[in-house]
Amino acid sequence: AQKITQTQPGMFVQEKEAVTLDCTYDTSDPSYGLFWYKQPSSGEMIFLIYQGSYDQQNATEGRYSLNFQKARKSANLVISASQLGDSAMYFCAMRESRDDKIIFGKGTRLHILP
Amino acid sequence: EAGVTQFPSHSVIEKGQTVTLRCDPISGHDNLYWYRRVMGKEIKFLLHFVKESKQDESGMPNNRFLAERTGGTYSTLKVQPAELEDSGVYFCASSKRTENSPLHFGNGTRLTVT
Repeated sequence: AQKITQTQPGMFVQEKEAVTLDCTYDTSDPSYGLFWYKQPSSGEMIFLIYQGSYDQQNATEGRYSLNFQKARKSANLVISASQLGDSAMYFCAMRESRDDKIIFGKGTRLHILP
Repeated sequence: EAGVTQFPSHSVIEKGQTVTLRCDPISGHDNLYWYRRVMGKEIKFLLHFVKESKQDESGMPNNRFLAERTGGTYSTLKVQPAELEDSGVYFCASSKRTENSPLHFGNGTRLTVT
């Protein structure tokens, strides 16, 4: 069975600091993909970054990077130089190749402090 | 390209009534998903279409929920009869059928059952 775990329900971080949002997953499928989404207070779901299970390098997209540790089954999101606009809910998600089903973790609410 | 659109954005109905939610995915996206988020909790998977076929409907709560995807284009999710616990935000998302294709979300339909 698939499972995504985000252990941090909420985080407070000072502006301009880096922040790491934790995500661990559980799957028996050797081929899978991991996603991070941001949901600001306005409610839309914004795709941030993707990591494939066979990717050799950690994914990066601007200030976002994914710390992928396959053996530990973790896919932490790192936001560098945080900004006030980064305050939002962040969801980790996983897709297994065998069925294309995508499931989400419970999310982490990030608060950036001025 | 036009994004995923959902209609209506809000719906308030009484217990026992019927509501139909509509989702128009991005053109060319074979995958279409429905999710529900209740009271700020996790994003719960409801079902997954590949074109017009239901690939996985394991998340549908009960037979009061009926989803269709006519001709593999738009999808509808009907709740009949609605119960109080059906309240929440219903998200639709679509994606291509490639491994690293992210989900593109609609803005959601906020359903309130009174």
